[in-house]
Amino acid sequence: GENVEQHPSTLSVQEGDSAVIKCTYSDSASNYFPWYKQELGKRPQLIIDIRSNVGEKKDQRIAVTLNKTAKHFSLHITETQPEDSAVYFCAAPRGGTSYGKLTFGQGTILTVHP
Amino acid sequence: GAGVSQSPSNKVTEKGKDVELRCDPISGHTALYWYRQSLGQGLEFLIYFQGNSAPDKSGLPSDRFSAERTGGSVSTLTIQRTQQEDSAVYLCASSLGLAGGLNEQFFGPGTRLTVL
Repeated sequence: GENVEQHPSTLSVQEGDSAVIKCTYSDSASNYFPWYKQELGKRPQLIIDIRSNVGEKKDQRIAVTLNKTAKHFSLHITETQPEDSAVYFCAAPRGGTSYGKLTFGQGTILTVHP
Repeated sequence: GAGVSQSPSNKVTEKGKDVELRCDPISGHTALYWYRQSLGQGLEFLIYFQGNSAPDKSGLPSDRFSAERTGGSVSTLTIQRTQQEDSAVYLCASSLGLAGGLNEQFFGPGTRLTVL
């Protein structure tokens, strides 16, 4: 099955700085890589995803890059704001299936200091 | 439309008791997932339902855990003879489950289970 490793486990930045979270996966057949954000006491919500036919995707201040050869993908947040403070989870398809079963990383606690 | 709902929001039980947790997915979503999230931890996959197919139970931690999905909609996760290590937030999610589709999972608010 898929194994997803996420680093760092905690990340502290100053408002306005950039933040980068990295994940590696094990199954070369994996073709979909979503990122979820979970604010304190709330449910996880999808913020961005990337499919294996592209190397980068951007949505305003967030971007995701994918290196299929190295089997890793990263979340980039620019011009961070206090409301970006949350736990971020990466994920990859579980067992390489296509119905959306996911294996999640352990999460990164991002703290943005005003 | 309404999102994924779960009940109860909180459940406190005594060790050894059985508990049932309920999930109402988004209407029309054929895929339903259960996850467990322990304090400060990631999302641990438990079980997956897709349409009328046999569920994927590969994530269930022991035979004390079981789940059903009736009529392709509502799901119930049952934990028998609860142990203190079962204390966690149990999250349900649903998605369109389209073949070949890589579908966004919509999460419910979770049930916080505390076993005393």
